[in-house]
Amino acid sequence: SYELTQPPSVSVSLGQMARITCSGEALPKKYSYWYQQKPGQAPMLVIYRDSERPSGIPERFSGSSSGTMFTLTISGVQAEDEADYYCLSADSSGSYAVFGGGTQLTVL
Amino acid sequence: EVLLVESGGGLIQPGGSLRLSCTASGFTLSSHWMHWVRQAPGKGLVWLSRISGDGKTRNFADSVKGRLTISRDNAKNTVYLQMNSLRVDDTAVYFCARDLETSSSYYGIDVWGQGTSVTVSS
Repeated sequence: SYELTQPPSVSVSLGQMARITCSGEALPKKYSYWYQQKPGQAPMLVIYRDSERPSGIPERFSGSSSGTMFTLTISGVQAEDEADYYCLSADSSGSYAVFGGGTQLTVL
Repeated sequence: EVLLVESGGGLIQPGGSLRLSCTASGFTLSSHWMHWVRQAPGKGLVWLSRISGDGKTRNFADSVKGRLTISRDNAKNTVYLQMNSLRVDDTAVYFCARDLETSSSYYGIDVWGQGTSVTVSS
């Protein structure tokens, strides 16, 4: 079955840049989406269609794609960005969706 | 305000059945694909199923195919998830979610409910 691969954890110092990757074979054909989830809360969309930012999401959040890799970049990380991040996409036929395993972002 | 409110969770014995409901408000439900996603304690998000706005098309994760049924009643602004033959490893928070995409080729969740907790235990 189709899988999206994320690093389990990423650590970054306050104010620095964080990059979280998501790799999957179908990513060149399918949009990807990124979600932030804080403990005890529902996930929140932070990037859609690879690189679009929903209203209300700070400009420091951006997304990019290259081949089979999709990257969430947080420029100038803030303490409140510490959370789990998940990517979402579909298999190449659009038959089902899959989330990446999630990446825990730690702000030092 | 766009809202999704799940209900129907609780404690259920292994082998039992449960129907979860998701009541939507603040938008036209029939215009959106709707999803169910779950998260086991301390684990990641797992996509389960989606249903088209008119209810005619459904997709399921292979891991739950045959045990889960998704349905909707747009007149009642409600989406349902029927779960049968429940197992201990079905224990999770179940989220209802809205899709922002109109194309069936993409799966793009933009709005989430707060989730309802299901515990499968004897």
